[in-house]
Amino acid sequence: AQRVTQPEKLLSVFKGAPVELKCNYSYSGSPELFWYVQYSRQRLQLLLRHISRESIKGFTADLNKGETSFHLKKPFAQEEDSAMYYCALSAQRNSGGSNYKLTFGKGTLLTVNP
Amino acid sequence: NAGVTQTPKFQVLKTGQSMTLQCAQDMNHEYMSWYRQDPGMGLRLIHYSVGAGITDQGEVPNGYNVSRSTTEDFPLRLLSAAPSQTSVYFCASSYRRSPLHFGNGTRLTVT
Repeated sequence: AQRVTQPEKLLSVFKGAPVELKCNYSYSGSPELFWYVQYSRQRLQLLLRHISRESIKGFTADLNKGETSFHLKKPFAQEEDSAMYYCALSAQRNSGGSNYKLTFGKGTLLTVNP
Repeated sequence: NAGVTQTPKFQVLKTGQSMTLQCAQDMNHEYMSWYRQDPGMGLRLIHYSVGAGITDQGEVPNGYNVSRSTTEDFPLRLLSAAPSQTSVYFCASSYRRSPLHFGNGTRLTVT
């Protein structure tokens, strides 16, 4: 069974400070990892997926299979980054299936103070 | 495209009442899912469907039914509402290996 752990429920930083949101996973196969973000009273939206190796809104995340981690990082936080962030895992990648069945972490609420 | 549309946005039920949460997508996505979001619990999968006529249970299916008669629609039925079903419900859809597209959510309160 797969599991996603986000150890911090709340994270508060000042504007301009670096931010790292932690995500660890457990899965015996080769997973696909995502970060989803939910701004206040909005729908969840995809922020990053590890296979894309992109930087979105200044955020990056690297899959570390040795440490089974997929931490989200941004060097200089902005107030508009304040949101709930969810790490999610899909076990469907190698089967060729879709990512319809995600396992989510419990989320980290990021607050960026002025 | 409207994307994933959920109705209603808000609903208050009394214990024992039944209702259906509607979800529709216009992207011709094969896969549709229902999640519930609770404080401190993240999102948990209730039911999902890999195509019309095919549904399966997720992590927390008890008390909920689904059906998928068309590609576009995936309604979630609460048979006899309980206070433990007070939550925010999200419908999502995807196509093959694309990421999930979420609806705006339905905030349900059961008194």
